Formats: sequence, structure tokens, C-alpha cells
Amino acid sequence: GQNIDQPTEMTATEGAIVQINCTYQTSGFNGLFWYQQHAGEAPTFLSYNVLDGLEEKGRFSSFLSRSKGYSYLLLKELQMKDSASYLCAVSPPGGGNKLTFGTGTQLKVEL
Amino acid sequence: EAEVAQSPRYKITEKSQAVAFWCDPISGHATLYWYRQILGQGPELLVQFQDESVVDDSQLPKDRFSAERLKGVDSTLKIQPAELGDSAMYLCASSLARLGTGELFFGEGSRLTVL
Repeated sequence: GQNIDQPTEMTATEGAIVQINCTYQTSGFNGLFWYQQHAGEAPTFLSYNVLDGLEEKGRFSSFLSRSKGYSYLLLKELQMKDSASYLCAVSPPGGGNKLTFGTGTQLKVEL
Repeated sequence: EAEVAQSPRYKITEKSQAVAFWCDPISGHATLYWYRQILGQGPELLVQFQDESVVDDSQLPKDRFSAERLKGVDSTLKIQPAELGDSAMYLCASSLARLGTGELFFGEGSRLTVL
């Protein structure tokens, strides 16, 4: 089975940097996704890590350590529009998109 | 920009009634998923289709839920009879990838409230 843990809530200040952690214990693992979900809207893809290391995409970066079962999403230069839920999800062995999601981290960006 | 279409956006029904949700994936996407998201939680997979075939429905409560994708394009998810605990957002997603891993594209969802 899959067990995914992420903090329930986080608060940060506009312009700052925030790191959202995700740990997972799985019976098998292929890769890790991060999705952003604004209230009442559909999740949208942010990043996908399959190899260890940091993937940078604009203000967002995602890190994966397969040996530690650990990932984080780093958001720089926070903007008010970044207030959303951030979902960590793992894909099963052999690949495929049958994702198992964490409960999400609700990020609130304040002035 | 191509999108996953879902309807209805909102549905309010009484328990024991039947409800149905429709999804039209992005054109050319072979794989279609139905997820259920209870408020404050992450999405949970209900069923996965590859073209018109069910790949995985192990988490679908088959006593009351059914899903079909007859022509391998659009899909319908049905609940009969609805129960109070079915109140949730029902998300449809599609992906181009047949094998391996690719990005999931989600629709706006259908929010169900069972009274």
C-alpha cells in the first residue's frame, strides 16, 4: 500500500520562500508528482520527479530523495495567488498515472 | 487550450436517488480516470479506463457505483442509490500516456451534495 504524509496547513508571507514537505512509504514507487489546487477548482500539474535531485521550473522547484522517501516543493517569491492546496502524489511501480494522493497542504499567503 | 469537460458542475440530490456524471476527456487521450475528493482530503481513484476497457476498478463501490466508456471517448459515472457519504467532488482526469507516466489533466469536477 501507499502512505503519504504532508503538513495540513502552512502560512507564509508574500515575497518569502516556503518549503512544503512530503514523505511517503510505499510498497513500490515510480515517481512523485506535485499538483496545485485552488479552492473549488481542479488540480493542476506542477512537477514530476522520478530521479533524485532538484527540478526547477520558474518560481517552483521540487526535490526528491528516493532512498529517504522524501520530497519537497519549494515556492519562491510568494504571491497572493499561490494560496492554494498543494497535493503530493506517487505513481506506482512500472509507471502509469494511477496516482495515490496525499491529503494536501493548505498554503495561505499573507501580506 | 484543450480541456477535460465535466457536467454537471453541481448536483444536489436526496439519498436513495440516482445521479450521473459525464466526462469528455481531451481529444486523443487514451486513459481516463474518475477520482473522488472529499472536502479537505486528496483525490482517491475510483476507476481507470484505457480506451473503452476498465484497467482498475478495485476502489469502486460496485454495489452502487458504475462507470462506462463505451466508445473509448467520453465516460459516465453513475451512483444508485446515493448515500449521504457520497457527498464529494467527483473529478475526471485524462492523460495521453498509454504506458509509462505522463501528466494528468483534470476537469473542473462535479460537486455532489446528498441530503
